Amino acid sequence: DSGVTQTPKHLITATGQRVTLRCSPRSGDLSVYWYQQSLDQGLQFLIQYYNGEERAKGNILERFSAQQFPDLHSELNLSSLELGDSALYFCASSVGGLNYGYTFGSGTRLTVV
Amino acid sequence: ELKVEQNPLFLSMQEGKNYTIYCNYSTTSDRLYWYRQDPGKSLESLFVLLSNGAVKQEGRLMASLDTKARLSTLHITAAVHDLSATYFCAPSRGSGYALNFGKGTSLLVTP
Repeated sequence: DSGVTQTPKHLITATGQRVTLRCSPRSGDLSVYWYQQSLDQGLQFLIQYYNGEERAKGNILERFSAQQFPDLHSELNLSSLELGDSALYFCASSVGGLNYGYTFGSGTRLTVV
Repeated sequence: ELKVEQNPLFLSMQEGKNYTIYCNYSTTSDRLYWYRQDPGKSLESLFVLLSNGAVKQEGRLMASLDTKARLSTLHITAAVHDLSATYFCAPSRGSGYALNFGKGTSLLVTP
């Protein structure tokens, strides 16, 4: 167990639907990063939150959004789902500052049918 | 945008052989990470290289970093089947910045 918890582990949903993926970072980590992994795009950085504030955006679609709550857990919301959104979604966390470790969760496998 | 190029993307090697995976990146980075991923699993941290000339070794794997050349290598010595996995390099602009991953090198070690 890495200390980063992602739920659910698997999700199957239909096109056009909306889903929410949840991530609880490792205790003490203030930064949360979301990544999408698909066969054709590889590991793509989506978005980062630091202590509740959005810190950086990567290749995140407008249909996707995220937030980090006061208890530091984060949620990634995916809406108007398309077949191409099927992927593994990873969350990672880090303390930030001088610490250089990034810890990844086990991922959520999303299948859009 | 920080671009990361790994090669080769696919590598099939025999047990006992040596090989090197290369990771080139496009802009100055403060540090570089190597991760391992087994099929359908999460990413496992292998090495963190924090400065030019840094070299780290763990078992049959050794990683090095040349920040001037923007190049990192992952050397595999006397490969064994258990090393079969996908290996990713990821430079970072610094602490608190997101990692930028290469496409990964899929390694298969055969008897």
